[in-house]
Order: sequence, then C-alpha cells, then structure tokens
Amino acid sequence: DQQVKQNSPSLSVQEGRISILNCDYTNSMFDYFLWYKKYPAEGPTFLISISSIKDKNEDGRFTVFLNKSAKHLSLHIVPSQPGDSAVYFCAASRRNSGNTPLVFGKGTRLSVIA
Amino acid sequence: DAEITQSPRHKITETGRQVTLACHQTWNHNNMFWYRQDLGHGLRLIHYSYGVQDTNKGEVSDGYSVSRSNTEDLPLTLESAASSQTSVYFCASSENRYEQYFGPGTRLTVT
Repeated sequence: DQQVKQNSPSLSVQEGRISILNCDYTNSMFDYFLWYKKYPAEGPTFLISISSIKDKNEDGRFTVFLNKSAKHLSLHIVPSQPGDSAVYFCAASRRNSGNTPLVFGKGTRLSVIA
Repeated sequence: DAEITQSPRHKITETGRQVTLACHQTWNHNNMFWYRQDLGHGLRLIHYSYGVQDTNKGEVSDGYSVSRSNTEDLPLTLESAASSQTSVYFCASSENRYEQYFGPGTRLTVT
C-alpha cells in the first residue's frame, strides 16, 4: 500500500510559467516532508522541506505548501526554467517511530519547454 | 569536501553470479541506505543501517544483503544475481531521520 503518492507521472510546462507538482500521503503520523530533484545519470538531491507545524516554506523560486487536513502537499516552481527539467520525488518522515527511513513517492518527471 | 561515492558506476554480470556494489561516505553519518530505482516504481528501499553492526531490511530486500563493519561503508551484495535485479542502485547517508545525501548511482545489468 503506497503511503506517499505522486499521481502525475509527468508534467510539461512552458518556460517562465508556474510548475505545480503534487503529492498525497495516507499516514497521519508523517510529520516532515521533503522534495528531491533528480537529473538523469545522477543521484537525487535535496531541494526543500517542510515540517507539519507549518503550511508553507519558501526558498527562492521554490515553495512547498502543506495541507494537513487533506494530507496533500505541493511544490511550486516560479518561474520555471529549462534547468528545472528533472524527476521530482516527494518523501515523508514519520514521528514517534524511532528512526524509520524516509518513504518516497514514485516521482513526477517535469519538462520545462523553452 | 565530504562526499558519498559508489563503485562501480556500471556493471554487467551474468545470472547466478554474486555481485557486490560499494558505497563509501566521508560525512561520518551513522545512517546509510540502499535504494533501487525502476521505471514506474520510483525509489524503493532495499536495506539500511543506523550504525556499525546494525542492518535492517527494507521494502525489497529479497536477494540482497548488507554488512556494516565501519561507519564509512555499506556494501550491497546480490547473492545470486537475477534478471529482475537489473536496475539503477543508489546509496544514501544521513545525519538524522530527515535529509539524505545520495551517491551518483550504479547501473547494474544482469544478463
């Protein structure tokens, strides 16, 4: 049973427009969420994170929004640039469960068209 | 600079052979992880370790083993390689239960 779901395998956006990547989770015990970015032939790299005590975290062109009641988070990229073309993974961490590993979604491939 | 490395970067092996993929990190992180990435499946956890002599099974551990004899290394062994284990393998390490740092990956092909 998938605890972290990224229901859109791919997304295509024009350069300069907003990219919105979505992630849903089922486990209400998750208390910390992360986004990773992955280019071909490279390992994933950390992009941005958010704690469950917040509903928004911003870092430059990247903003993550968390809606706990809907168990939904989204990553906004504004403005989108061709260099943002990559696979984006959503991940979640669970509190009060010792040191359990991150749970990853299946990823969304973003293509930013010039 | 601290880093995490994987070797080899590419490997072709035959069905039934034992294969070991190396992972080495210089951050002195206690936590280390092995994932495989396959189309349509994203990143799936194979094994992980929270310190020397500690190992734990992940979501897809069958056919794989790890050992942790020091802080820096977590080698992944495929006891008898199968075609279903053709994949890209990523090693990662972390200081805490949050942000993980990933290696560049090993592309393994089992023929």
